[in-house]
Amino acid sequence: QKEVEQNSGPLSVPEGAIASLNCTYSDRGSQSFFWYRQYSGKSPELIMSIYSNGDKEDGRFTAQLNKASQYVSLLIRDSQPSDSATYLCASEVYGNNRLAFGKGNQVVVIP
Amino acid sequence: DADVTQTPRNRITKTGKRIMLECSQTKGHDRMYWYRQDPGLGLRLIYYSFDVKDINKGEISDGYSVSRQAQAKFSLSLESAIPNQTALYFCATSDPTEAGEQFFGPGTRLTVL
Repeated sequence: QKEVEQNSGPLSVPEGAIASLNCTYSDRGSQSFFWYRQYSGKSPELIMSIYSNGDKEDGRFTAQLNKASQYVSLLIRDSQPSDSATYLCASEVYGNNRLAFGKGNQVVVIP
Repeated sequence: DADVTQTPRNRITKTGKRIMLECSQTKGHDRMYWYRQDPGLGLRLIYYSFDVKDINKGEISDGYSVSRQAQAKFSLSLESAIPNQTALYFCATSDPTEAGEQFFGPGTRLTVL
């Protein structure tokens, strides 16, 4: 079982709508979770981090963490064409100080 | 100037050749990483280093070796390249207090024929 799973296919959303991305993780010891955004042909960049159960909001982005269900999500409100990218979920591997990445989900925002 | 640089940016080589990919950083971070990215497989960790004397294997280290020449430099070598090592390679750095915030270089696209 992969440490971080992102199973949804490409997500197409109309401009102004909410994009919702999900990932699950297998290591119950993981405490820290991250969302990276990667534009086509570019390198990943960190957009959100979350460490506690519940929601964390930063501008149009909200990260949600449920440790009991081992589930992390990212909501993008008022989606813009500039949000079109691949979003990578990552968890910090407990006791190892490295990140495990999911395979990513592509988001396409349609004007 | 970019904080994390990678050379070369693109490389085409033949099976059996030795290849070195180089990474330099000006962020002053102790931790450096090498990843490869393949379509449908995401980012996979090859090797990571927490300081000049600390080198660790990642999930897919077979066929690769690394050298940490200085705090700012971390090189990845393919001793005898094979076609399934064709991929996009990223170097990244992080501060020990913020291990989850990794800063990535622009990537090296490697093609092995």
